Amino acid sequence: GESVGLHLPTLSVQEGDNSIINCAYSNSASDYFIWYKQESGKGPQFIIDIRSNMDKRQGQRVTVLLNKTVKHLSLQIAATQPGDSAVYFCAENRARNAGNMLTFGGGTRLMVKP
Amino acid sequence: EAGVAQSPRYKIIEKRQSVAFWCNPISGHATLYWYQQILGQGPKLLIQFQNNGVVDDSQLPKDRFSAERLKGVDSTLKIQPAKLEDSAVYLCASSLEGQGGNQPQHFGDGTRLSIL
Repeated sequence: GESVGLHLPTLSVQEGDNSIINCAYSNSASDYFIWYKQESGKGPQFIIDIRSNMDKRQGQRVTVLLNKTVKHLSLQIAATQPGDSAVYFCAENRARNAGNMLTFGGGTRLMVKP
Repeated sequence: EAGVAQSPRYKIIEKRQSVAFWCNPISGHATLYWYQQILGQGPKLLIQFQNNGVVDDSQLPKDRFSAERLKGVDSTLKIQPAKLEDSAVYLCASSLEGQGGNQPQHFGDGTRLSIL
């Protein structure tokens, strides 16, 4: 299928290892953060979110860590599987009077070696 | 639960022609978004609707792009006339929240537009 991104930073991991994908966000007023997974030819798929009053949130095989001091977000995937191969985007959300504004980072390509 | 539906999946047109994309959000989602995703980049917001009203269209190139959500459900995005730099995937997303509140946006699979 077509590539989501041709010149993205790439993380290559062995199947079964843990993966850590990092993201720096820009706006200190952002209060909500989301990680998305995007496979070729598909739209971004919601993985996990975290609000700014938290510093860690766990899901199934995934953990998101938020460090507001340095404006850094990370996504940890435990026991990485071939199906985890995709482009991962972090997105920061800033609440406004009417709705929210989601700004996406540039994305990281995760490649899982069998 | 059915996801966000978009059509067509692919569209190829010549520059200066017109094109329209359609989106049906997840049932009950008040907020609808259109994004442009250029190859190798993250999605960029074009316009946000809440019900049938525009919340934010500050990044929409209004000289050629227009969008509507007349009955507060389905939405269409139109480009007229298209330029070469409009080649991209156009993504639609929807979310539950009305005023404020943080809810994840759920995306459709997009329309891939190629301008010749």
